[in-house]
Amino acid sequence: KNEVEQSPQNLTAQEGEFITINCSYSVGISALHWLQQHPGGGIVSLFMLSSGKKKHGRLIATINIQEKHSSLHITASHPRDSAVYICAVKGGSGGSNYKLTFGKGTLLTVNP
Amino acid sequence: DSGVTQTPKHLITATGQRVTLRCSPRSGDLSVYWYQQSLDQGLQFLIQYYNGEERAKGNILERFSAQQFPDLHSELNLSSLELGDSALYFCASSVNSLGNTEAFFGQGTRLTVV
Repeated sequence: KNEVEQSPQNLTAQEGEFITINCSYSVGISALHWLQQHPGGGIVSLFMLSSGKKKHGRLIATINIQEKHSSLHITASHPRDSAVYICAVKGGSGGSNYKLTFGKGTLLTVNP
Repeated sequence: DSGVTQTPKHLITATGQRVTLRCSPRSGDLSVYWYQQSLDQGLQFLIQYYNGEERAKGNILERFSAQQFPDLHSELNLSSLELGDSALYFCASSVNSLGNTEAFFGQGTRLTVV
């Protein structure tokens, strides 16, 4: 079992819909990252969370440390939000300062 | 623009060859991390350097090595290349080695081994 599980693997939405991507992890962590990767493109760090909730524009990220679960929400989705969203956790069994363990990503497609 | 610069953007080379990937971290960042993203394995942590010293090793093959120079740029050396080394190689930087600050990723180097 992977240390970081994301769901769904693929998600197709219509423009304007509310999107939720989930991330569950099985190890103790000190921080969780949500990353965005456009096809063929680089990686952009969206959020780093260790507790609670963060909001940036139409993006909201929440984390529940007790339940080992995080969600990324996109409100009023837009075709430019189409990308792969990757959850990554810092800490866990590796123990090194910044060994990020990554989920396999969620491919989001937002149709106009 | 994350402020992290990776060169080259694309690299095509033959099996058995050796290549060097370069990463310039954001101004002021002391830590550099290297990651490999392949189709079958996803993103994997390779190695971390902080202020010139190796701090952590992940799933890095013995054929691969890295270093961080006094000006804080880093190079990832891949030798005796195999077809399976074809992947996107990302570096990221952060201000310290504690992992409690955000990491900024470069655009990646796409390596194709033929």
